[in-house]
Amino acid sequence: DAGVTQSPTHLIKTRGQQVTLRCSPKSGHDTVSWYQQALGQGPQFIFQYYEEEERQRGNFPDRFSGHQFPNYSSELNVNALLLGDSALYLCASSSLGLANTGELFFGEGSRLTVL
Amino acid sequence: AQRVTQPEKLLSVFKGAPVELKCNYSYSGSPELFWYVQYSRQRLQLLLRHISRESIKGFTADLNKGETSFHLKKPFAQEEDSAMYYCALQAYNTDKLIFGTGTRLQVFP
Repeated sequence: DAGVTQSPTHLIKTRGQQVTLRCSPKSGHDTVSWYQQALGQGPQFIFQYYEEEERQRGNFPDRFSGHQFPNYSSELNVNALLLGDSALYLCASSSLGLANTGELFFGEGSRLTVL
Repeated sequence: AQRVTQPEKLLSVFKGAPVELKCNYSYSGSPELFWYVQYSRQRLQLLLRHISRESIKGFTADLNKGETSFHLKKPFAQEEDSAMYYCALQAYNTDKLIFGTGTRLQVFP
């Protein structure tokens, strides 16, 4: 089992552009959460997807959107990129939310640089 | 507001010394609390959760509701404990985790 896989690992965009990040959850997991980790900070919750719907959302603008596919994989889209969107984007998978376990399985992340 | 505070960015100790990584939280109810760890060139992973009351790799953490703290402790640090440690809070009836800013633990030989 490869665990949670994310692509691309690194990418560079310019202000105003759009970006799509991809995530495949750990085998057997049906829930995907996305986190943003700025330099020197802890991960910040963006949103969570379950059964192809957004279940919960953190304090992020509508420029951040997502999608979950029937095979449980997920995409994070960010429109109208700002310099402040430069960060490591982490995908985490779990089963039926945290449901008394608290264990999220994280990917290695996609590092986005906005110039 | 829900918040997790880790006051130390860096904690350096020698092998065999006791370790305490501090974590304080702000939450009005009864939170679920966790410690996640990231070793060099590895992904973030769960170390332990307070509800399990378990010891993992010699680490323990006790929830102190009066002091709203969840400090991570180990009596004798090992070099392989060197890593980035994040304290995290899960609010009641939500799935999201609120992370602190992390503490880097360096254990010198």
